Amino acid sequence: NAGVTQTPKFRILKIGQSMTLQCAQDMNHNYMYWYRQDPGMGLKLIYYSVGAGITDKGEVPNGYNVSRSTTEDFPLRLELAAPSQTSVYFCASSGGRITEAFFGQGTRLTVV
Amino acid sequence: DAKTTQPNSMESNEEEPVHLPCNHSTISGTDYIHWYRQLPSQGPEYVIHGLTSNVNNRMASLAIAEDRKSSTLILHRATLRDAAVYYCILRLDNDMRFGAGTRLTVKP
Repeated sequence: NAGVTQTPKFRILKIGQSMTLQCAQDMNHNYMYWYRQDPGMGLKLIYYSVGAGITDKGEVPNGYNVSRSTTEDFPLRLELAAPSQTSVYFCASSGGRITEAFFGQGTRLTVV
Repeated sequence: DAKTTQPNSMESNEEEPVHLPCNHSTISGTDYIHWYRQLPSQGPEYVIHGLTSNVNNRMASLAIAEDRKSSTLILHRATLRDAAVYYCILRLDNDMRFGAGTRLTVKP
């Protein structure tokens, strides 16, 4: 039972490069979320999705894009990476609005 | 979204109970109260949730005030492994937003 799987675990990007952070869950959850966590800070919601084909902005969506073509996958795209996007990114999923959420182990991204 | 307020940090001695408070004075009637914790260098993990009644599970207990404007997460016997940041959040809408949480330090 894999739960929520994020890849890669670590990545170093140069300023201006692009990349996609992958998130997959095998629990048939409709709700999926992307967060970023800067050092010593709490989690900030970037984007979320309530089902395939439906996405919505969270607190800090600028500089990011998402898509949700399947229930299982919720990739996060960074275009034109900037040093301010250096952070740890967490993906999560839940079966509904009020059920428990499961988190991946995170992707540590450094932009230099 | 309804907001929560938690102390920035708390300390506890190992094997003693810990009561972590959370204020949510603007809670609506259908907001669920959720608690998550984040161990060092890990993603958050679910601890417990409730609506109106007190709840118990293998990890902790959740005590909810009668007016629902506050709640308390209770760890019955803190261990060193319970040292983490504990987040109290309200869930009703489709998104799920975290505050700063309470950093719990457990002393041996």
